[in-house]
Amino acid sequence: RKEVEQDPGPFNVPEGATVAFNCTYSNSASQSFFWYRQDCRKEPKLLMSVYSSGNEDGRFTAQLNRASQYISLLIRDSKLSDSATYLCVVNPATNAGKSTFGDGTTLTVKP
Amino acid sequence: DTAVSQTPKYLVTQMGNDKSIKCEQNLGHDTMYWYKQDSKKFLKIMFSYNNKELIINETVPNRFSPKSPDKAHLNLHINSLELGDSAVYFCASSPTWGRDARTGELFFGEGSRLTVL
Repeated sequence: RKEVEQDPGPFNVPEGATVAFNCTYSNSASQSFFWYRQDCRKEPKLLMSVYSSGNEDGRFTAQLNRASQYISLLIRDSKLSDSATYLCVVNPATNAGKSTFGDGTTLTVKP
Repeated sequence: DTAVSQTPKYLVTQMGNDKSIKCEQNLGHDTMYWYKQDSKKFLKIMFSYNNKELIINETVPNRFSPKSPDKAHLNLHINSLELGDSAVYFCASSPTWGRDARTGELFFGEGSRLTVL
């Protein structure tokens, strides 16, 4: 089993749709969680950190469920510019700073 | 005012050659990394340095040798290049572990696309 698993995708949605991505992780001692966004042929960039209480940033909402060991990302009112690959990232409870990336979920928003 | 910069951006070379990729960060971070993203877009950590000390060394062929002359620089040297080394190599940095509320956030360079012919 992979340490971090994401929905395989791809997700093709029309503009204005709501789309949700899930990510599960296997290490129950994982400490911090993130969603990154990677545009085609670009570097990954932090989209949101994910907190136990859940957090929202505009049209984006991230949730963490420690008991079930999954995190989610919800995108409301999707825009063409949301088309990208979304990477789930999990960090262990050590000082090593070893981030484990999911394999990514590709989202294409169509007009 | 680029935060994490890597050179070269593109590198095309023949099998068997030796090549280096350089990385520099001006964010004052203590930790730097090399990641490899293959043709299937999977992003895997290769090495991590904290204050010039190697702290993560994943299962990487010993043809790959990182070097950190100071905490702002982390270079990657690859000997005897093979076809399977073709990938995008990302350098990244992060704040000191344990001191930042968003500990572990990674700041990536733009990537170095290596093609081995």
